[in-house]
Amino acid sequence: DAKTTQPPSMDCAEGRAANLPCNHSTISGNEYVYWYRQIHSQGPQYIIHGLKNNETNEMASLIITEDRKSSTLILPHATLRDTAVYYCIVRALNSNSGYALNFGKGTSLLVTP
Amino acid sequence: NAGVTQTPKFQVLKTGQSMTLQCAQDMNHEYMSWYRQDPGMGLRLIHYSVGAGITDQGEVPNGYNVSRSTTEDFPLRLLSAAPSQTSVYFCASSYTGSRGGDGYTFGSGTRLTVV
Repeated sequence: DAKTTQPPSMDCAEGRAANLPCNHSTISGNEYVYWYRQIHSQGPQYIIHGLKNNETNEMASLIITEDRKSSTLILPHATLRDTAVYYCIVRALNSNSGYALNFGKGTSLLVTP
Repeated sequence: NAGVTQTPKFQVLKTGQSMTLQCAQDMNHEYMSWYRQDPGMGLRLIHYSVGAGITDQGEVPNGYNVSRSTTEDFPLRLLSAAPSQTSVYFCASSYTGSRGGDGYTFGSGTRLTVV
């Protein structure tokens, strides 16, 4: 699975858009980009995933650059409840790294009033 | 409510004791797994199962045992608890596991302390 790089922490004002970047410059053509988040003391929560097209669901939008070397998770109107650690994971179908999800250290997002 | 249910939420064990952490899902997911999360270490895969009767080891399987007799349940057994097993344990499931593009559903965790 391709290695990902995320900033360790970010701040965002409540009501503003939170844009969380992820660099995955060694991504292969068959690898998807997944985003999860973990609110303090809770289990990780799946947010969204994509291959090359931008994706949107009720939680967030995922923007993947044309060369697929980076992506951005967008929370359009951040609330205090969005304070969490956000993980960007890149993996392929039939990943040769087995079944483990490599969460890494993620980005700690703090949404402030 | 559909999802992954873990019990107990909290547990304190003495060194050498054994116990079983329970995990159940009602989404008819084929794939289930157990992770542990330690401060500063991220989540690490302990064991996983791709279907009833099939289990395999993850990254950190020592000291743990699993079985999968039904699609719904995937218990994790600590054979002889050690202080190094103090951690937060998460169970996760998905329809197709890593072989598919779907997301994983995680339980709320079991916080285990071994003294």
